[in-house]
Amino acid sequence: DIQMTQSPSSLSASVGDRVTISCRASQSISNSLNWYQQKPGKAPNLLIDAASSLQSAVPSRFSGSGSGTDFTLTISSLQPEDFATYYCQQSYSPPRTFGQGTRVEIK
Amino acid sequence: QVQLQESGPGLVKPSQTLSLTCTVSGVSISSGGYYWSWIRLHPGKGLEWIGYISYSGNTYYNPSLKSRVTISLDTSKNQFSLRLSSVTAADSAVYYCAREGAVTTRFFDYWGQGTLVTVSS
Repeated sequence: DIQMTQSPSSLSASVGDRVTISCRASQSISNSLNWYQQKPGKAPNLLIDAASSLQSAVPSRFSGSGSGTDFTLTISSLQPEDFATYYCQQSYSPPRTFGQGTRVEIK
Repeated sequence: QVQLQESGPGLVKPSQTLSLTCTVSGVSISSGGYYWSWIRLHPGKGLEWIGYISYSGNTYYNPSLKSRVTISLDTSKNQFSLRLSSVTAADSAVYYCAREGAVTTRFFDYWGQGTLVTVSS
C-alpha cells in the first residue's frame, strides 16, 4: 500500500494568513494526488485533482503543487469558511489511501 | 444532478454483520466509466477507503479489511451495497458511499452525506 503522510496534523491561523499543508507519498505517484476539504458533519468536498487542477467551483485562493512524492496545498489568504480539515488522497493505485488529515483552526 | 444516499442500521452488535446500501440517482451505475466506493471516517481519525465495485461487478477491497468485506451491485435498483462481517467497536465510524472516475477522472467527485454506524451491545 502507498502510505500518505500529511503535515502538520493541525494548525492555528488567522483570517488573511497564507497556509501551506504538505503531503508526502511513500513512493512516487506521479501527479495522482487529490485534495479534499471536510467540515464537521459533512462529506469531504474535492478541491484539487491531479495535484494542481482546481475544481471549477473552488475559489482561486486554493492551489496545489508537486509531483512524485511531495505535494503541497496552499491557501493564499485564509477566509472564515476555510476552517476545516484537509485530506490528501492518492489515486495512483489501489488501495486508495488518504493522509491523516490537517485540521485548520482559528487563531 | 448526481446524488448518493446511504441507508442502513445505525447500531450493530459486536460479531454481527454491518449492512449498508447506497442509492444512486442522476446516473446509471451500470453505464460504465466509474467505480462505486465505500469510505469510512473513524471518530477523531482520518478517512479509510474500504473498497470499490465497477459497473461490471469487478471489486477491489482494502487488504486490511478484505477478509470481512463484500461490495455488491443491484443495477435494477441503481444501488450498491456494503457488508462487513464480524464487526467490533473499531468498526464504529461514519460510512460514506462515493463515486470515482475509472479512467481519467480518478477522484471522488460525488459523496453521500454519510451514515453513522455504532458497534455496541
